[in-house]
Amino acid sequence: DTAVSQTPKYLVTQMGNDKSIKCEQNLGHDTMYWYKQDSKKFLKIMFSYNNKELIINETVPNRFSPKSPDKAHLNLHINSLELGDSAVYFCASSLRGPAGETQYFGPGTRLLVL
Amino acid sequence: AQSVTQLGSHVSVSEGALVLLRCNYSSSVPPYLFWYVQYPNQGLQLLLKYTTGATLVKGINGFEAEFKKSETSFHLTKPSAHMSDAAEYFCAVGLGYGQNFVFGPGTRLSVLP
Repeated sequence: DTAVSQTPKYLVTQMGNDKSIKCEQNLGHDTMYWYKQDSKKFLKIMFSYNNKELIINETVPNRFSPKSPDKAHLNLHINSLELGDSAVYFCASSLRGPAGETQYFGPGTRLLVL
Repeated sequence: AQSVTQLGSHVSVSEGALVLLRCNYSSSVPPYLFWYVQYPNQGLQLLLKYTTGATLVKGINGFEAEFKKSETSFHLTKPSAHMSDAAEYFCAVGLGYGQNFVFGPGTRLSVLP
């Protein structure tokens, strides 16, 4: 069973569209994250939720909106997609955190905006 | 705010040679320190971490790292490289609950036969 899963794995879309990426973890963790990895492999945290409460909200455009319906799920909705949004988006989870906790990463969603 | 630097965006070693990947951090408080590895087209996986206690930390696949507070470093080593070690390696720093979690820019390790 996959611990942290993301759907879809690949997403190709046109500029201006709205898209969502889903993430689910079956580890029983309290905390979930979204990261963006750019073409140079630079990895930056976007959001973190603990028990459905937003605890980290980095400086990202407000076109990005996370939603956590329960502590096992954290979805990312992106409005009005731009070329610069092309990247790999990783979901992760940790037991608590982030602090000193190990984060478990999903396989990534490769987003290409044309 | 904390930050992480990794010296060398690309390191090449021969199979069987020592692996040394450098990580330095800046933080106003004692940090939690991590090394993650990313194989091609995969997510990240934890190699090892330092939270408290012993400053020499052993991880998976024969890797270890030493926390040196005076040097603000957390370098990753492995005595003998294997072809399967070829990957991207990320050092990361975490602070307290609700604090940002920062990854370094990554070092790509190539292992030559």
